[in-house]
Amino acid sequence: DIQMTQSPSSLSASVGDRVTITCQASQDITNYLNWYQQKPGKAPKLLIYDASNLETGVPSRFSGGGSGTDFTFTISSLQPEDIATYYCQQYDNFWTFGQGTKVEIK
Amino acid sequence: EVQLVESGGGLVKPGGSLRLSCAASGFTFSTSRMNWVRQAPGTGLEWVSSIRSSSSNIYYADSVKGRFTISRDNAKNSLYLQMNSLRAEDTAVYYCARRRVTPHGDAFDIWGQGTMVTVSS
Repeated sequence: DIQMTQSPSSLSASVGDRVTITCQASQDITNYLNWYQQKPGKAPKLLIYDASNLETGVPSRFSGGGSGTDFTFTISSLQPEDIATYYCQQYDNFWTFGQGTKVEIK
Repeated sequence: EVQLVESGGGLVKPGGSLRLSCAASGFTFSTSRMNWVRQAPGTGLEWVSSIRSSSSNIYYADSVKGRFTISRDNAKNSLYLQMNSLRAEDTAVYYCARRRVTPHGDAFDIWGQGTMVTVSS
C-alpha cells in the first residue's frame, strides 16, 4: 500500500499570506496526485489534478507541484473562504488520501 | 444540475447490515466509473470501493473486503453499497463519488453530500 504523509497537520495564517502544504508518498507515484478541499460539514471538492493542473472554476491562487514522492500545494494569497481541510490523494495504486491539513485564519 | 445524492444511512447494531444508495443526475452515469469513500468522525478520507461503468472491474479496500459489496443499476442511474457484518469502526459518513479518467488525469470530480452510518449497540 502507498502511504501519503501530509505536513503540517494544521496551520494558522493571516489573510493574504502564502500558504504551502506538503505531501510525501511512500513510493514513486510520478505525478499521480490530486488535491481536494473540504469545508466543515461538506463533501470534498477537487482543486488540483495530476499534481499541477487546476480544475475548471477553481481560483488561480491555488496551485500544485512536484513529482515522484514529494508534492506541494500552495495558496498564494489566503482568503477567508479558504478555511478548510486540504487532502492529497494518490492514484498510482488504487486510491489513498493524506491525513489532511486544517487551514485556519490567524 | 450535476448531482449525486446518497441515502440509506442510519443506526445499526454491530454485526448488522445496511444498504446505501446513490442517485446520479446531470451526467452520463452509465459510462462513469463510481466509488464509495468514507470519513470516520473527526478523521480523514478513506477510499472504500470502486466499480467500472459495466461492473466489469470491482475493487475494495482491505478493511471492507468480504463484508461490503458495491453494485450499480445503470438503467436507474444508481450506485449501491451493501454493508454486512458491520463493526464499530465502520461508523462514518459515506460519500459516493464519480471517478473521472482522462489522458490528463484520474480524479474524483463529483461528490455527493454523504450519508451517516453509525454502528453501535
